Amino acid sequence: ILNVEQSPQSLHVQEGDSTNFTCSFPSSNFYALHWYRWETAKSPEALFVMTLNGDEKKKGRISATLNTKEGYSYLYIKGSQPEDSATYLCAPRDDYKLSFGAGTTVTVRA
Amino acid sequence: DSGVTQTPKHLITATGQRVTLRCSPRSGDLSVYWYQQSLDQGLQFLIQYYNGEERAKGNILERFSAQQFPDLHSELNLSSLELGDSALYFCASSVATSGVPQDTQYFGPGTRLTVL
Repeated sequence: ILNVEQSPQSLHVQEGDSTNFTCSFPSSNFYALHWYRWETAKSPEALFVMTLNGDEKKKGRISATLNTKEGYSYLYIKGSQPEDSATYLCAPRDDYKLSFGAGTTVTVRA
Repeated sequence: DSGVTQTPKHLITATGQRVTLRCSPRSGDLSVYWYQQSLDQGLQFLIQYYNGEERAKGNILERFSAQQFPDLHSELNLSSLELGDSALYFCASSVATSGVPQDTQYFGPGTRLTVL
């Protein structure tokens, strides 16, 4: 199981504002990094899979970048909306399994 | 809806008992993964099966076991239950197993187990 840190643990953002948060993971033997979005009372939903250093992925107002050499990924939410309120999980993958971080819980205030 | 189904949704039982959680993967997926989400803990990987064979093990207790059947559904058996086993148990499925970094895991709705 890989050691994964996500920061901050939680954040509050005003509707319309942009925000970002971090996922740190071991840089050695990097294989892939997965991002998931988890809304309350639902199951985790896959957002991105990132494999290459310098990768950038985008889905609507949400984007992510990856630095495999230093072992971190940023997730950005542009122009936050109330429906973006969720816990965002990152999970580096070794050959078989995902090791999930504790997540960053985002609350968007209208 | 991810296409992964889990039953039951909720389960309440007593300490010392045994329960079975069931998972049906998405159509076409050969891998099934089990995760545990306890209070104040992140998603913890338990075990993975691919096409009927165990492929990877995480922090799964000896009291827990799993299997994947020929029709690819999977069952997680939890025995001699303790209060600390109360958690949300998720099943996920994917197409592949090792060797495919982009292989995405799709999560089911989970089974909430309460041990009294």
